[in-house]
Amino acid sequence: ETGVTQTPRHLVMGMTNKKSLKCEQHLGHNAMYWYKQSAKKPLELMFVYSLEERVENNSVPSRFSPECPNSSHLFLHLHTLQPEDSALYLCASSTRQGRQPQHFGDGTRLSIL
Amino acid sequence: KQEVTQIPAALSVPEGENLVLNCSFTDSAIYNLQWFRQDPGKGLTSLLLIQSSQREQTSGRLNASLDKSSGRSTLYIAASQPGDSATYLCAVRPGNQFYFGTGTSLTVIP
Repeated sequence: ETGVTQTPRHLVMGMTNKKSLKCEQHLGHNAMYWYKQSAKKPLELMFVYSLEERVENNSVPSRFSPECPNSSHLFLHLHTLQPEDSALYLCASSTRQGRQPQHFGDGTRLSIL
Repeated sequence: KQEVTQIPAALSVPEGENLVLNCSFTDSAIYNLQWFRQDPGKGLTSLLLIQSSQREQTSGRLNASLDKSSGRSTLYIAASQPGDSATYLCAVRPGNQFYFGTGTSLTVIP
């Protein structure tokens, strides 16, 4: 199933670089999510967009900046990241009402040098 | 704050065995609970979704139960196969938030 597509799959960047992660869903969902997955830790919900409005921001540092231009696309803009930001970043989508399952992309493996 | 715990953290079983994975959560005020599978280097694949009003859901060899009042869910896998080897995660949803456990890493030995 290619319902949720994330690009790039892998990204290596220096601490002073600026890059963006992209997520696209073709499931007709109206809510999208960014998660961070680090080794030995539960998935951390970073941002939630519902009908293109940000409804959750879980104390994420400002060096992560989300953007949701429409209900099918979600971006995560990165700048001045730290080594501890190296992780797998997962995008998910669902219906806003929450009675349907979340669907995940395969993630972007981010490494900060 | 909701906390989700999964026990055991890792499990190794011979092929053909039936097994149970456990998930517990601290706040019973949830909309639903979802079980996922994650293969190495991949995203999460949804296995089963149980609404808060339901007691169980079944899909093929998988059966998930939910006891909301006690804050527990189990995922039962019948006749395990090597292809079932993966990390299994549960997540609960109270509103816009999703809270995940750290997962159970399952290895099925041929």
